[in-house]
Amino acid sequence: DVKVTQSSRYLVKRTGEKVFLECVQDMDHENMFWYRQDPGLGLRLIYFSYDVKMKEKGDIPEGYSVSREKKERFSLILESASTNQTSMYLCASSLALDRGYTFGSGTRLTVV
Amino acid sequence: QKEVEQNSGPLSVPEGAIASLNCTYSDRGSQSFFWYRQYSGKSPELIMFIYSNGDKEDGRFTAQLNKASQYVSLLIRDSQPSDSATYLCAVNAGNQFYFGTGTSLTVIP
Repeated sequence: DVKVTQSSRYLVKRTGEKVFLECVQDMDHENMFWYRQDPGLGLRLIYFSYDVKMKEKGDIPEGYSVSREKKERFSLILESASTNQTSMYLCASSLALDRGYTFGSGTRLTVV
Repeated sequence: QKEVEQNSGPLSVPEGAIASLNCTYSDRGSQSFFWYRQYSGKSPELIMFIYSNGDKEDGRFTAQLNKASQYVSLLIRDSQPSDSATYLCAVNAGNQFYFGTGTSLTVIP
């Protein structure tokens, strides 16, 4: 089974801090994604990547950036954390888009 | 705007009954359709996918797709309390997935 590992399960950060969320997958998938999930709003795509050093904006990229220096690792960066970025962040990986995603266990980020 | 709509529920069914979850989508170019189960506090896990019109069965789960009417449904037979979760419908169109907001299912013992 594909394993997608997110480095932190819970994080508490202060407003204005730079925050790094790490995601690693172990099955050589080319496609990786970052979502945030909020009650009533569902899953919203932040950024995605189809290859190393490649990135595409999703629906809500503002306030975020990403890095993919190696195929297995896709990092989400909050340049200056704000309270409205308090959310559950989910990383996902996919071999092919018609095969669905495998999600990581999620990082619940609280910005105070 | 590509949209995936689900009835948010909550849907309650007694143990042993059939639970029926429905989803409609707006993009006629959608190719692949998925159902994810998400337990409270956990991440979504893929339970079914379907590509062609008709039914696809896997154990107690049946996915149904009708592209002409742009809906996909999930039937859970012999519902168990362990099926209590939020079920997310997802649609693949082009190079992205689009998720519904989920339907909360409670199976009452």
